[in-house]
Amino acid sequence: AQRVTQPEKLLSVFKGAPVELKCNYSYSGSPELFWYVQYSRQRLQLLLRHISRESIKGFTADLNKGETSFHLKKPFAQEEDSAMYYCALSPTGANNLFFGTGTRLTVIP
Amino acid sequence: KAGVTQTPRYLIKTRGQQVTLSCSPISGHRSVSWYQQTPGQGLQFLFEYFSETQRNKGNFPGRFSGRQFSNSRSEMNVSTLELGDSALYLCASSVAGQGDTLHFGNGTRLTVT
Repeated sequence: AQRVTQPEKLLSVFKGAPVELKCNYSYSGSPELFWYVQYSRQRLQLLLRHISRESIKGFTADLNKGETSFHLKKPFAQEEDSAMYYCALSPTGANNLFFGTGTRLTVIP
Repeated sequence: KAGVTQTPRYLIKTRGQQVTLSCSPISGHRSVSWYQQTPGQGLQFLFEYFSETQRNKGNFPGRFSGRQFSNSRSEMNVSTLELGDSALYLCASSVAGQGDTLHFGNGTRLTVT
């Protein structure tokens, strides 16, 4: 069975500091991995996906199949990065997502 | 383009009643998925519809059902409501599914008393 684990419910960093939100998954096949973000009073939206290999708002995430991890990183946190972040997995060929429990990131000015 | 629209925004129902939630996807999107969000369980997948057919189903009891119309609009129905059904129900649409980006609505907050 598939599972997504985000070990930190809350994470606080100072503005300008590096940030890493952890995500580990378990799945026997080759999943697609995503990071979704929900800013205050906004709807849940896609931040990035591993197959795109792109940087969005300065965030990157590398899929490590050996460690089954998909950690989200940003070298210099900004106040506007404060939000709820969800790691999600989509099984091969499917369109449904399995979400982690989310990490609330707070960037302290 | 208008985003995913969910109606109503809030609902209060009594145990044993049934409820219908509606979702209008982004124009051109043919896949509609439903998720339940609760503080205890987080975001859980309910089901996905594509071209009026249920293509995928999560691990929820049969009291939870849905359908999709020819214009891709979708409804979700919950019968014999239980207190534990109180949750935020999110709808998401995508172009065709199979790994497409999901676009979420603002959700319908259901409270069962």
